[in-house]
Amino acid sequence: QVQLVESGGGLVKPGGSLRLSCAASGFTFSDFHMTWIRQAPGKGLEWVSLISNSGLNIDYADSVRGRFTISRDNAKNFLYLQMNSLRVDDTAMYYCARGRPTGHWGQGTLVTVSS
Amino acid sequence: DIQMTQSPSSLSASVGDRVTITCRASQGISSDLAWYQQKPGTVPKLLIYAASTLQSGVPSRFSGSGSGTDFTLTISSLQPEDVATYYCLKYNSAPWTFGQGTKVDIK
Repeated sequence: QVQLVESGGGLVKPGGSLRLSCAASGFTFSDFHMTWIRQAPGKGLEWVSLISNSGLNIDYADSVRGRFTISRDNAKNFLYLQMNSLRVDDTAMYYCARGRPTGHWGQGTLVTVSS
Repeated sequence: DIQMTQSPSSLSASVGDRVTITCRASQGISSDLAWYQQKPGTVPKLLIYAASTLQSGVPSRFSGSGSGTDFTLTISSLQPEDVATYYCLKYNSAPWTFGQGTKVDIK
């Protein structure tokens, strides 16, 4: 069955960096667009970034453009999100999700940005 | 960027009631609109995509309609297990945008 497992979250100071990973299994990873979506504690859902199945087309929310970089490794079935210059308002659960729209989601990894 | 306005922000209804949630796009998005259900402490679940196509396994009491700028999620007969927050998502082009969410509970 489809599985998406995020990792790499944690506590980081403002201005710091983290790299999130999402391990995909149970489907042909290279066939699907992949997305990162986040949810701040007690808040709604926010789309963060999208990468096409080939990796050639990438988009970002304005709130993260220039600070976050999405990438994928279709040989290893991994999706990544490199997050730099982290801010307190980046604190959220980060989900990786498959497809357009996103029909399968991982369980999320929590990123906390705090001094 | 296209904005999505979802209403109401919350509602309370009785078991068996018909419930309607709306999403309005600031510009036309064709039928590239999805609806998600998120129960407390869980991952969002896709209910409807392409505005009106029911995701496999979703109960038939859920339905979606609309195209262009105005969209509706309807629960034909509210059940206790439908207590959740519902979000619309426009995905026609980047940036994708979620609605603000509608919290549904039982009166």
